[in-house]
Amino acid sequence: KAGVTQTPRYLIKTRGQQVTLSCSPISGHRSVSWYQQTPGQGLQFLFEYFSETQRNKGNFPGRFSGRQFSNSRSEMNVSTLELGDSALYLCASSMGTGGTEAFFGQGTRLTVV
Amino acid sequence: QQQVKQSPQSLIVQKGGISIINCAYENTAFDYFPWYQQFPGKGPALLIAIRPDVSEKKEGRFTISFNKSAKQFSLHIMDSQPGDSATYFCAASWGYGQNFVFGPGTRLSVLP
Repeated sequence: KAGVTQTPRYLIKTRGQQVTLSCSPISGHRSVSWYQQTPGQGLQFLFEYFSETQRNKGNFPGRFSGRQFSNSRSEMNVSTLELGDSALYLCASSMGTGGTEAFFGQGTRLTVV
Repeated sequence: QQQVKQSPQSLIVQKGGISIINCAYENTAFDYFPWYQQFPGKGPALLIAIRPDVSEKKEGRFTISFNKSAKQFSLHIMDSQPGDSATYFCAASWGYGQNFVFGPGTRLSVLP
């Protein structure tokens, strides 16, 4: 059974640019959640999509957005990049019902210069 | 109230010893508590999880102890091995959402 796939693995962008990250969940999983991981702030929840609808949202500015497609694949977009957006972005896949196992991908390492 | 506190920040254990990591929460709505293990350059991997209606859960060398009244839970790693050296995160969530609140992490080093 294939795991959670995130692409690309690494990205270098310039301040002010925008970026799109992709996440393919485990087959059959309907929920995709996104997290930002930094040394200073740890793992922080960005948002969750379930059946193409945003179900939960964390405390991030509107520059961070996402969507989910009918095949459950999800994309995350960050516009007007800032240096502080440099982080490891992780997505987690699950069946989507409460208290079920969530599996993380390897992440996309974004560096903003 | 949304915070999950985790201690210690780092832990050094001898091979064969017991590693203990503690977490505490305030939000009584939390109803699912997983532990994740993360190696450098990798995403977090689910180790074991517990619900508040159970006081203890064991899977292999890993045990979660849960104290609902104290709003605390802990991970015990028995017979710790050098391969267990990683960062461990506790987390909590509630309801149907997969929106985990993570603790700040514990860096475990197991000496050979």
